[in-house]
Amino acid sequence: DIVMTQSPDSLAVSLGERATINCKSSQSVLSSSNNKNFLGWYQQKPRQPPKLLIYWASTRESGVPDRFSGSGSGTDFTLTISSLQIEDVAVYYCQQYYSAPITFGQGTRLEIK
Amino acid sequence: QVQLVESGGGVVQPGRSLRLSCAASGFTFSAYAMHWVRQAPGKRLEWVTIISDDESNKYYADSVKGRFTISRDNSNNALYLQMNSLRAEDTGVYYCARAQSGGSSFIIQHWGQGTLVTVSS
Repeated sequence: DIVMTQSPDSLAVSLGERATINCKSSQSVLSSSNNKNFLGWYQQKPRQPPKLLIYWASTRESGVPDRFSGSGSGTDFTLTISSLQIEDVAVYYCQQYYSAPITFGQGTRLEIK
Repeated sequence: QVQLVESGGGVVQPGRSLRLSCAASGFTFSAYAMHWVRQAPGKRLEWVTIISDDESNKYYADSVKGRFTISRDNSNNALYLQMNSLRAEDTGVYYCARAQSGGSSFIIQHWGQGTLVTVSS
Protein backbone atom coordinates (compact mmCIF):
# COMPACT_ATOMS: atom_id res chain seq x y z
CA ASP A 1 0.00 0.00 0.00
CA ILE A 2 1.12 3.58 -0.64
CA VAL A 3 1.70 5.40 2.65
CA MET A 4 0.77 9.07 2.78
CA THR A 5 2.51 11.25 5.36
CA GLN A 6 1.51 14.83 6.05
CA SER A 7 3.39 17.60 7.80
CA PRO A 8 2.86 19.27 10.10
CA ASP A 9 0.26 17.43 12.20
CA SER A 10 -1.15 20.77 13.30
CA LEU A 11 -0.71 24.34 12.23
CA ALA A 12 -1.78 27.73 13.63
CA VAL A 13 -1.88 30.67 11.22
CA SER A 14 -3.09 34.24 11.62
CA LEU A 15 -6.12 35.41 9.68
CA GLY A 16 -5.11 36.67 6.26
CA GLU A 17 -1.78 34.86 6.34
CA ARG A 18 -0.61 31.94 4.19
CA ALA A 19 -1.03 28.35 5.31
CA THR A 20 1.04 25.55 3.80
CA ILE A 21 0.44 21.82 4.30
CA ASN A 22 2.78 19.18 2.93
CA CYS A 23 2.10 15.61 1.84
CA LYS A 24 4.59 12.93 0.91
CA SER A 25 3.79 9.58 -0.67
CA SER A 26 5.89 6.45 -0.16
CA GLN A 27 6.06 5.97 -3.91
CA SER A 28 5.39 8.13 -6.92
CA VAL A 29 1.76 8.78 -7.81
CA LEU A 30 2.63 10.30 -11.19
CA SER A 31 1.25 8.29 -14.07
CA SER A 32 3.48 7.97 -17.11
CA SER A 33 0.46 7.18 -19.28
CA ASN A 34 -1.31 10.53 -18.80
CA ASN A 35 1.33 12.59 -16.95
CA LYS A 36 -1.09 13.24 -14.11
CA ASN A 37 -0.51 13.02 -10.38
CA PHE A 38 -3.18 10.87 -8.74
CA LEU A 39 -3.38 13.08 -5.65
CA GLY A 40 -6.30 14.82 -3.99
CA TRP A 41 -6.92 17.11 -1.03
CA TYR A 42 -9.96 17.10 1.24
CA GLN A 43 -11.19 19.46 3.95
CA GLN A 44 -13.10 18.14 6.96
CA LYS A 45 -14.76 20.53 9.36
CA PRO A 46 -15.90 19.36 12.81
CA ARG A 47 -18.87 17.00 12.70
CA GLN A 48 -19.00 17.17 8.91
CA PRO A 49 -18.03 14.78 6.13
CA PRO A 50 -14.93 15.50 4.05
CA LYS A 51 -15.18 17.88 1.12
CA LEU A 52 -13.15 17.53 -2.08
CA LEU A 53 -10.93 20.58 -2.65
CA ILE A 54 -8.29 19.57 -5.19
CA TYR A 55 -7.74 16.62 -7.53
CA TRP A 56 -5.00 15.71 -10.02
CA ALA A 57 -2.76 17.49 -7.49
CA SER A 58 -3.65 20.98 -8.71
CA THR A 59 -7.17 21.07 -10.21
CA ARG A 60 -9.58 22.96 -8.00
CA GLU A 61 -13.01 21.40 -7.54
CA SER A 62 -15.93 23.52 -8.74
CA GLY A 63 -16.99 26.08 -6.12
CA VAL A 64 -13.76 25.94 -4.12
CA PRO A 65 -12.35 29.44 -3.48
CA ASP A 66 -9.25 30.32 -5.46
CA ARG A 67 -7.27 30.96 -2.27
CA PHE A 68 -6.86 27.15 -2.20
CA SER A 69 -4.18 25.79 -4.51
CA GLY A 70 -2.33 22.51 -4.91
CA SER A 71 1.13 21.86 -6.26
CA GLY A 72 3.82 19.21 -6.48
CA SER A 73 4.60 16.09 -8.45
CA GLY A 74 5.83 12.55 -7.98
CA THR A 75 6.04 12.06 -4.22
CA ASP A 76 5.92 15.58 -2.77
CA PHE A 77 2.84 17.76 -2.71
CA THR A 78 1.61 20.97 -1.09
CA LEU A 79 -1.76 22.50 -0.31
CA THR A 80 -1.61 26.26 0.07
CA ILE A 81 -4.25 28.61 1.43
CA SER A 82 -3.11 32.04 0.32
CA SER A 83 -5.05 34.13 2.83
CA LEU A 84 -6.55 32.24 5.76
CA GLN A 85 -10.20 32.85 6.53
CA ILE A 86 -12.00 31.82 9.70
CA GLU A 87 -14.11 29.30 7.76
CA ASP A 88 -10.92 27.45 6.74
CA VAL A 89 -10.46 26.02 10.25
CA ALA A 90 -10.58 22.28 9.60
CA VAL A 91 -8.56 19.11 9.23
CA TYR A 92 -7.02 18.66 5.80
CA TYR A 93 -6.24 15.26 4.26
CA CYS A 94 -4.25 14.30 1.21
CA GLN A 95 -5.26 11.16 -0.67
CA GLN A 96 -3.62 9.06 -3.34
CA TYR A 97 -5.73 7.25 -5.92
CA TYR A 98 -2.85 5.97 -8.03
CA SER A 99 -3.26 2.41 -6.84
CA ALA A 100 -5.72 0.44 -4.76
CA PRO A 101 -6.24 0.65 -1.92
CA ILE A 102 -6.88 4.39 -1.89
CA THR A 103 -4.97 5.78 1.09
CA PHE A 104 -5.16 9.02 3.04
CA GLY A 105 -2.66 11.01 5.06
CA GLN A 106 -3.07 11.27 8.81
CA GLY A 107 -4.51 14.76 8.54
CA THR A 108 -3.30 18.27 9.39
CA ARG A 109 -5.33 20.30 11.85
CA LEU A 110 -5.44 23.98 10.87
CA GLU A 111 -6.29 26.57 13.50
CA ILE A 112 -6.32 30.34 13.86
CA LYS A 113 -3.38 31.88 15.72
CA GLN B 1 -28.25 18.64 -5.63
CA VAL B 2 -26.44 15.42 -4.79
CA GLN B 3 -27.75 13.80 -1.62
CA LEU B 4 -26.44 10.67 0.04
CA VAL B 5 -28.18 9.49 3.19
CA GLU B 6 -26.76 6.58 5.16
CA SER B 7 -28.70 4.42 7.59
CA GLY B 8 -28.33 1.15 9.46
CA GLY B 9 -25.59 2.01 11.92
CA GLY B 10 -25.76 1.12 15.58
CA VAL B 11 -24.19 -0.88 18.38
CA VAL B 12 -23.41 -4.51 17.60
CA GLN B 13 -21.50 -7.24 19.40
CA PRO B 14 -18.24 -8.60 18.04
CA GLY B 15 -18.80 -11.41 15.55
CA ARG B 16 -22.28 -10.22 14.59
CA SER B 17 -23.50 -8.67 11.34
CA LEU B 18 -24.86 -5.32 10.24
CA ARG B 19 -26.13 -3.97 6.94
CA LEU B 20 -25.68 -0.34 6.00
CA SER B 21 -27.79 1.39 3.37
CA CYS B 22 -27.31 4.59 1.42
CA ALA B 23 -30.15 6.38 -0.37
CA ALA B 24 -28.95 8.47 -3.29
CA SER B 25 -30.75 11.33 -5.02
CA GLY B 26 -30.08 14.37 -7.16
CA PHE B 27 -28.05 12.56 -9.83
CA THR B 28 -28.20 9.58 -12.18
CA PHE B 29 -27.17 6.92 -9.67
CA SER B 30 -26.58 4.20 -12.26
CA ALA B 31 -23.89 6.29 -13.99
CA TYR B 32 -21.46 6.52 -11.08
CA ALA B 33 -19.14 4.28 -9.15
CA MET B 34 -19.78 4.39 -5.41
CA HIS B 35 -17.59 4.00 -2.33
CA TRP B 36 -17.74 3.31 1.37
CA VAL B 37 -15.13 5.10 3.47
CA ARG B 38 -14.88 4.87 7.25
CA GLN B 39 -13.32 6.90 10.01
CA ALA B 40 -12.56 5.56 13.47
CA PRO B 41 -12.90 8.11 16.29
CA GLY B 42 -10.05 10.64 16.04
CA LYS B 43 -8.40 8.71 13.22
CA ARG B 44 -7.65 9.23 9.55
CA LEU B 45 -10.04 8.33 6.78
CA GLU B 46 -9.88 4.70 5.65
CA TRP B 47 -11.20 3.63 2.28
CA VAL B 48 -13.27 0.44 2.54
CA THR B 49 -14.66 -0.54 -0.85
CA ILE B 50 -15.79 0.58 -4.31
CA ILE B 51 -18.40 -0.74 -6.71
CA SER B 52 -18.57 0.18 -10.39
CA ASP B 53 -21.65 1.77 -11.91
CA ASP B 54 -22.94 -1.54 -13.30
CA GLU B 55 -21.82 -3.64 -10.32
CA SER B 56 -19.38 -5.56 -12.52
CA ASN B 57 -16.31 -4.58 -10.52
CA LYS B 58 -15.81 -4.45 -6.77
CA TYR B 59 -12.65 -3.86 -4.76
CA TYR B 60 -12.05 -4.08 -1.03
CA ALA B 61 -9.48 -2.99 1.52
CA ASP B 62 -7.53 -5.96 2.88
CA SER B 63 -8.88 -5.19 6.36
CA VAL B 64 -12.45 -6.07 5.30
CA LYS B 65 -11.93 -8.52 2.43
CA GLY B 66 -13.95 -11.68 2.94
CA ARG B 67 -16.10 -10.08 5.68
CA PHE B 68 -17.76 -7.10 3.95
CA THR B 69 -19.79 -7.09 0.72
CA ILE B 70 -20.76 -4.01 -1.28
CA SER B 71 -23.81 -4.06 -3.53
CA ARG B 72 -26.18 -1.65 -5.23
CA ASP B 73 -29.72 -1.46 -6.58
CA ASN B 74 -29.72 0.92 -9.51
CA SER B 75 -33.49 0.72 -9.92
CA ASN B 76 -33.94 2.06 -6.40
CA ASN B 77 -30.89 4.36 -6.21
CA ALA B 78 -29.49 2.48 -3.24
CA LEU B 79 -26.06 1.36 -2.09
CA TYR B 80 -25.44 -1.28 0.55
CA LEU B 81 -22.66 -2.59 2.74
CA GLN B 82 -23.13 -6.00 4.34
CA MET B 83 -20.73 -6.32 7.25
CA ASN B 84 -20.17 -9.76 8.77
CA SER B 85 -17.88 -11.04 11.53
CA LEU B 86 -17.57 -7.53 12.93
CA ARG B 87 -14.57 -6.63 15.09
CA ALA B 88 -13.91 -3.83 17.54
CA GLU B 89 -11.58 -2.22 15.00
CA ASP B 90 -14.52 -1.84 12.59
CA THR B 91 -15.94 0.83 14.89
CA GLY B 92 -16.33 4.22 13.25
CA VAL B 93 -18.39 6.50 11.08
CA TYR B 94 -19.15 4.95 7.71
CA TYR B 95 -19.55 7.34 4.79
CA CYS B 96 -21.31 6.58 1.55
CA ALA B 97 -19.58 8.50 -1.23
CA ARG B 98 -19.93 9.10 -4.94
CA ALA B 99 -17.06 9.00 -7.40
CA GLN B 100 -16.33 11.75 -9.86
CA SER B 101 -17.46 11.11 -13.42
CA GLY B 102 -14.71 10.61 -15.99
CA GLY B 103 -11.10 10.91 -14.93
CA SER B 104 -10.80 8.42 -12.12
CA SER B 105 -13.50 6.56 -10.24
CA PHE B 106 -11.27 6.86 -7.19
CA ILE B 107 -11.71 10.63 -6.93
CA ILE B 108 -14.40 10.88 -4.25
CA GLN B 109 -16.50 13.89 -5.12
CA HIS B 110 -19.54 13.76 -2.82
CA TRP B 111 -19.96 12.37 0.68
CA GLY B 112 -22.94 11.54 2.86
CA GLN B 113 -23.15 12.63 6.50
CA GLY B 114 -22.16 9.19 7.71
CA THR B 115 -23.60 6.57 10.05
CA LEU B 116 -21.91 5.42 13.25
CA VAL B 117 -21.11 1.76 13.78
CA THR B 118 -19.97 0.69 17.23
CA VAL B 119 -18.72 -2.86 17.75
CA SER B 120 -18.67 -3.62 21.44
CA SER B 121 -19.73 -6.32 23.86
